[in-house]
Amino acid sequence: GEDVEQSLFLSVREGDSSVINCTYTDSSSTYLYWYKQEPGAGLQLLTYIFSNMDMKQDQRLTVLLNKKDKHLSLRIADTQTGDSAIYFCAEIPYTGRRALTFGSGTRLQVQP
Amino acid sequence: ETGVTQTPRHLVMGMTNKKSLKCEQHLGHNAMYWYKQSAKKPLELMFVYSLEERVENNSVPSRFSPECPNSSHLFLHLHTLQPEDSALYLCASSRQLAGGTDTQYFGPGTRLTVL
Repeated sequence: GEDVEQSLFLSVREGDSSVINCTYTDSSSTYLYWYKQEPGAGLQLLTYIFSNMDMKQDQRLTVLLNKKDKHLSLRIADTQTGDSAIYFCAEIPYTGRRALTFGSGTRLQVQP
Repeated sequence: ETGVTQTPRHLVMGMTNKKSLKCEQHLGHNAMYWYKQSAKKPLELMFVYSLEERVENNSVPSRFSPECPNSSHLFLHLHTLQPEDSALYLCASSRQLAGGTDTQYFGPGTRLTVL
């Protein structure tokens, strides 16, 4: 079955790097996504990575994928207070369901 | 502004009421989705529509009834709900059924409280 797991909480100081981790079980996952949810708002797509890639960098964001271990991480460099939010990992399989399976979300708290 | 709007943003209803949630997208997308986000569970997919046809019903109780009159609008009709149905209901759309770069864009959600 499909399962996506994340740690619930991460606290960092402003200016440090944040690393949010995610594990998934579906080996047929083709694309993996990171979404951000700020209080009172819907989900905003941050970045995605195709399963044949190991790494993707987009400005302050770096996504690392270890397909063998089914482990995905999101690194945020120079974390700012505006990065405080809940971050969701999501995946979609090659076949089967037509929508994303989400993790439970990691709440990132950035302290000044 | 993501191009996906939801109304109302907040809704309080009794267990015997009937209400509807509305979602509208101005992105020209062909697929629309309802998700439920509660405090104790990850985001749960409820319904998927593609070109106004329901393609997935994820074992949702019949007290939730979706309607997709055209590719820009999606409704969720609610009747005789239970307090455990209190949650944030999120609508999303994508160009085609989700996958690859056809990812989903989310609305801000409707915060539903059932008394």
